Amino acid sequence: DIVMTQSPDSLAVSLGERATVNCRSSQSVLYTSNNKNYLAWYQQKPGQPPKLLIYWASTRESGVPDRFSGSGSGTDFTLTISSLRPEDVAVYYCQQYYSTPPLFGGGTKVEIK
Amino acid sequence: QVQLQQWGAGLLKPSETLSLTCAVYGGSFNGYHWGWIRQPPGKGLEWIGDISHSGSTTYNPSLKSRVTISVDTSKNQFSLRLTSVTAADTAVYYCARGVITVLATERLYNYWGQGTLVTVSS
Repeated sequence: DIVMTQSPDSLAVSLGERATVNCRSSQSVLYTSNNKNYLAWYQQKPGQPPKLLIYWASTRESGVPDRFSGSGSGTDFTLTISSLRPEDVAVYYCQQYYSTPPLFGGGTKVEIK
Repeated sequence: QVQLQQWGAGLLKPSETLSLTCAVYGGSFNGYHWGWIRQPPGKGLEWIGDISHSGSTTYNPSLKSRVTISVDTSKNQFSLRLTSVTAADTAVYYCARGVITVLATERLYNYWGQGTLVTVSS
């Protein structure tokens, strides 16, 4: 299994400031034949199902604000919220879909400082 | 607009069988992975398994011996059965639809059911 490790477990950021969430996979999720990283990011607010934000490590899902961006390749990835808004308070999860089972990271809770 | 609506028993005793069904409204049923993911209270997400519209299943090895996912294409529904439940199976269970990209049908999920809390307690 490809194990996903996120850091930090939680972070508090001032409104308007940048929030950065990290995700590391136990082995590469880069499929060299198509040069795609099989890595997704989700946002989950309390009492709600997860919402897909980003896939292929950096492609925003339709309707996701452009303050959310993803970067990285191979085994190290980052989700960045460029300017934190109150509605961004949530838990963020990474997920690899390179192989089965498609495991999730443990989550990072983003709060307002 | 695609909607997933799920239902099933919310309180089980140890050793009983968990049974949930997810109905899909709007959009095509064909071509997608239809998955089940669970989340223990206050914890992270665990992929249980999925099924294609043709009935091909893939399960998480950690649960494979107890899990069955089935599909009823005539009703645009798919179902989860988990046998011999214990307190460790207490979780919110979600059904979800996989994403079709230009490359393939992938196991990432952009439509989710509302979630069903299943509690296992004697």
